[in-house]
Amino acid sequence: GENVEQHPSTLSVQEGDSAVIKCTYSDSASNYFPWYKQELGKGPQLIIDIRSNVGEKKDQRIAVTLNKTAKHFSLHITETQPEDSAVYFCAASKESGGYQKVTFGIGTKLQVIP
Amino acid sequence: DGGITQSPKYLFRKEGQNVTLSCEQNLNHDAMYWYRQDPGQGLRLIYYSQIVNDFQKGDIAEGYSVSREKKESFPLTVTSAQKNPTAFYLCASKYQTNTEAFFGQGTRLTVV
Repeated sequence: GENVEQHPSTLSVQEGDSAVIKCTYSDSASNYFPWYKQELGKGPQLIIDIRSNVGEKKDQRIAVTLNKTAKHFSLHITETQPEDSAVYFCAASKESGGYQKVTFGIGTKLQVIP
Repeated sequence: DGGITQSPKYLFRKEGQNVTLSCEQNLNHDAMYWYRQDPGQGLRLIYYSQIVNDFQKGDIAEGYSVSREKKESFPLTVTSAQKNPTAFYLCASKYQTNTEAFFGQGTRLTVV
């Protein structure tokens, strides 16, 4: 089955600096890669996603890159702000027997220091 | 407003008791999921359902049961057979395509 590794598990950055979170996956059939942000005591929410036919996608201060050959994808947050502090999850998803099998990374706790 | 709602937000259970967590969605999603979240372990799949009256075990189904009698509802029962039930439980739903999942706000279950 799919294995998604995510690192680092914790990340502290100064406000205004950039943050990068990296994930690798094992199943070459995975073709959809969402990133979720989870604030304390809440459910995860999608912040950006990328499909396997695209190498990079950007939405304001957030960008995701995908390297299919190396099977890794990364989340980049620029000009970090205190409200970016949260746990971030990467995921890899594929179609399997009519069911979309989603495997999540272990999560990265990001702390933005004012 | 469309969304996915979990209740209650906090739940306390005595050892040996079954407890049911509610999950309702009005997004017209076919697929629904239950995840368990423990510190340092990410999201682990308990059960999932693609259509009404059908559900499948996930990676950690032992000690849990579900039903899917209506498209909108996917309740999870934590039985006394679950040895370590204290955790944060998340319900999610999505369309039957390879797209994003929508999560509820979670239920924190504590066994006392």
